[in-house]
Amino acid sequence: DTEVTQTPKHLVMGMTNKKSLKCEQHMGHRAMYWYKQKAKKPPELMFVYSYEKLSINESVPSRFSPECPNSSLLNLHLHALQPEDSALYLCASSQGRTSSPDTQYFGPGTRLTVL
Amino acid sequence: AQSVTQPDIHITVSEGASLELRCNYSYGATPYLFWYVQSPGQGLQLLLKYFSGDTLVQGIKGFEAEFKRSQSSFNLRKPSVHWSDAAEYFCAVVSGYSTLTFGKGTMLLVSP
Repeated sequence: DTEVTQTPKHLVMGMTNKKSLKCEQHMGHRAMYWYKQKAKKPPELMFVYSYEKLSINESVPSRFSPECPNSSLLNLHLHALQPEDSALYLCASSQGRTSSPDTQYFGPGTRLTVL
Repeated sequence: AQSVTQPDIHITVSEGASLELRCNYSYGATPYLFWYVQSPGQGLQLLLKYFSGDTLVQGIKGFEAEFKRSQSSFNLRKPSVHWSDAAEYFCAVVSGYSTLTFGKGTMLLVSP
């Protein structure tokens, strides 16, 4: 099973709202990722969690706040977003290997629209 | 720094015809290479990967790719395209064992 699930599938929010995106995997993976993807572009890495610790933050604005409550769950908390933050947000997971190449498996994404 | 180039933004192929999508990489060390496919509004699905060994790699959905170190290429092929193959295809290289660098993608259109 290589399934990563994401909820919600679609989200519309105003610039003053607070919302959260959720990601879950049950493959025993120890690394989880958030990507942002704009239309007709490749995914851009936002955050990486390795063994439930934030290991990479690609200079993402503080209005995006990641959280990894346990090894199976990854959240992305959203607050005071801008219309340009509208995008497809993808979660991925991998085994968390550090001495050999790792394979990332992606979820279906959350389509976010900021009004 | 590592990079991936997909020279073709769009490709149109007739249903039943063969397909080759090009991917060139720039990476100083041994490259670890992937092809992912993305249907509209969906996530990325792993088609195949190359880490080492046999340079001809078989993937899902009848796809294969060949790693050619001398040409710094990892082209994706399929002998007979189906209408359901219409999607965006991304080539990627991993660095530091886990950080993916994607190409800009190639949109495959399938004509009847």
